[in-house]
Amino acid sequence: NAGVTQTPKFQVLKTGQSMTLQCAQDMNHNSMYWYRQDPGMGLRLIYYSASEGTTDKGEVPNGYNVSRLNKREFSLRLESAAPSQTSVYFCASSWGGKGQVDLRGYTFGSGTRLTVV
Amino acid sequence: DQQVKQNSPSLSVQEGRISILNCDYTNSMFDYFLWYKKYPAEGPTFLISISSIKDKNEDGRFTVFLNKSAKHLSLHIVPSQPGDSAVYFCAAWLSGTYKYIFGTGTRLKVLA
Repeated sequence: NAGVTQTPKFQVLKTGQSMTLQCAQDMNHNSMYWYRQDPGMGLRLIYYSASEGTTDKGEVPNGYNVSRLNKREFSLRLESAAPSQTSVYFCASSWGGKGQVDLRGYTFGSGTRLTVV
Repeated sequence: DQQVKQNSPSLSVQEGRISILNCDYTNSMFDYFLWYKKYPAEGPTFLISISSIKDKNEDGRFTVFLNKSAKHLSLHIVPSQPGDSAVYFCAAWLSGTYKYIFGTGTRLKVLA
């Protein structure tokens, strides 16, 4: 099925460990996004990429790095995990590029539940 | 500063009745709004949208109303069904920016 695929679905890390969350979309979308969802906070944008080779910071980028490997793939890396990064992470994609509203909204992956102990 | 607010964290409605989910925003320059639905262990899915030049958009059982003077958005579900039980997020787009801004979500429970 077409859509956004995230791996892994669950992960437990120790404080200070690193890991990369993977995301791939097969809809030929231009833009890709990483969000985190925390109770009472809604969805907050971590990083975004309007096109292959470009990335921009969102609202909460500290402690994260991203790579837009090609048009399909957008990875999120935690270099030194902290308990404050315990969250559910969603990758999303859309047709629109920077400044272009996508009237159909984003297509989201099913999420990665990350716990940092 | 939360530019898009959903002040009701949860809502319970009887099956067959109307569900009304509310969303308030602070920036009058938002020009496009969406509602998403999210089931547990799944990502949010697009439900319905409305442009700032309209005040109503309907899609089956779902209707979104926009009151620009009050900076208020609402989603009506009629009739409500148990399968509508989910978390609903509103989102707003500011022209010239690069993202939708999401509200904090409202958990709807439709009681059979």
